[in-house]
Order: sequence, then structure tokens, then C-alpha cells
Amino acid sequence: EDQVTQSPEALRLQEGESSSLNCSYTVSGLRGLFWYRQDPGKGPEFLFTLYSAGEEKEKERLKATITKKESFLHITAPKPEDSATYLCAVQKNTGFQKLVFGTGTRLLVSP
Amino acid sequence: EAGVVQSPRYKIIEKKQPVAFWCNPISGHNTLYWYRQNLGQGPELLIRYENEEAVDDSQLPKDRFSAERLKGVDSTLKIQPAELGDSAVYLCASSFGRGSYEQYFGPGTRLTVT
Repeated sequence: EDQVTQSPEALRLQEGESSSLNCSYTVSGLRGLFWYRQDPGKGPEFLFTLYSAGEEKEKERLKATITKKESFLHITAPKPEDSATYLCAVQKNTGFQKLVFGTGTRLLVSP
Repeated sequence: EAGVVQSPRYKIIEKKQPVAFWCNPISGHNTLYWYRQNLGQGPELLIRYENEEAVDDSQLPKDRFSAERLKGVDSTLKIQPAELGDSAVYLCASSFGRGSYEQYFGPGTRLTVT
């Protein structure tokens, strides 16, 4: 069964303190791995899609990487506005291609 | 460009009452999704439409949930009758083309059943 596990559940950082969020996945035939950001009371906001091991994507202070078993979201010198829940999801390359989400990592960046 | 629009944003109803949620996807997006997100969890797919056709409704509790997407644009998700366990955020998302993998979400409707 397809499974996505995110860790840690919650992370508290000081402004400027770099760290990484982990997304471990088990899926038979990966089409893509997705990272979303979700602010309280809002829907998930698309960040990145990664398709194969070794691929990297960057956006401002965020960098996403992927291996055959896990993906990392690296946050460099975070700011308070980076505080949000970060969701990881996988999509199979067969069937109806639905997204299977993890439970997310709640990130709080203090000034 | 306007994003996915959902209404209402909040709804409080008593159990056994009906409720309906409305979604207007991004213009030109022919694939539309309804998700349910429980507190502290990731979204779970309820139903997916490609144009007017529901192509994946395996997770939709069909005894009380129904959905429609007339004319392949707007969509409505209905619950009748609502149960306490239906309290959640109901998210609508859309994507362009059958092969598109990037889904764009609306703000959601927070349903509270008392």
C-alpha cells in the first residue's frame, strides 16, 4: 500500500537557523512527489514537483531533493513568514493517479 | 489569474441536516478534485472529475455523499444527512489536462457538525 511518512511532526526554529524536513515514501511506481505549503485556514499551496531520484528544485529559501525512498525540504536561513505546515504527497504512475498525502510538518520560525 | 473559488468558507449544521459545498475551478482546468482534510491530517481524495465525468469516486461514501459537475466547470458536493464524523475541511482542487500533475487548491470549507 502506498504510504507517506513525514518527520518531524513539528519543528521550531530560530530565524536564520537552517534545517530539513523529511518525507519518506513507499509507492509502487512513482510518477511524482509533491511539496505543498499550507497556512492556517487556507488550502495547500503548490511548491515543487520532483520526478526522479537526484532531482533538485529551488525556490527562494527552499530546496527540495529526492532519493528512491525519501525527499527532503531544506530551509536555509528561514524567516518567520516561512512558518506553515509543509505537506508531502506522492502520485503513482498507474491507475487514477491520485495524490497520497503525508500528515505534514508544522514549522514555526521565531524572530 | 483567479484561483479556485469555494463557498461557503464556514458552515455549522446540526447532525442529520443536509449541506452543500460549491467549487469554481481555475479557468481552463478540466480536472477537478474534492478532498477532505481532518485536523492534523493530510487531504484525502473523495472524488475526481475529468470534465463532467467522475473518474475516481472510490473514496466517496456514497450512502450520504453525492457530487456533480454539470457542464464540466463548477462542482457541488453534498452530504445528506450529515454525521458528527463529517466535521472536517472540504477542499476543492483543479488541474489542467488529464496528464497534469500539479493540483491547485481552493481555501476550503470548514464544516462543523453539532
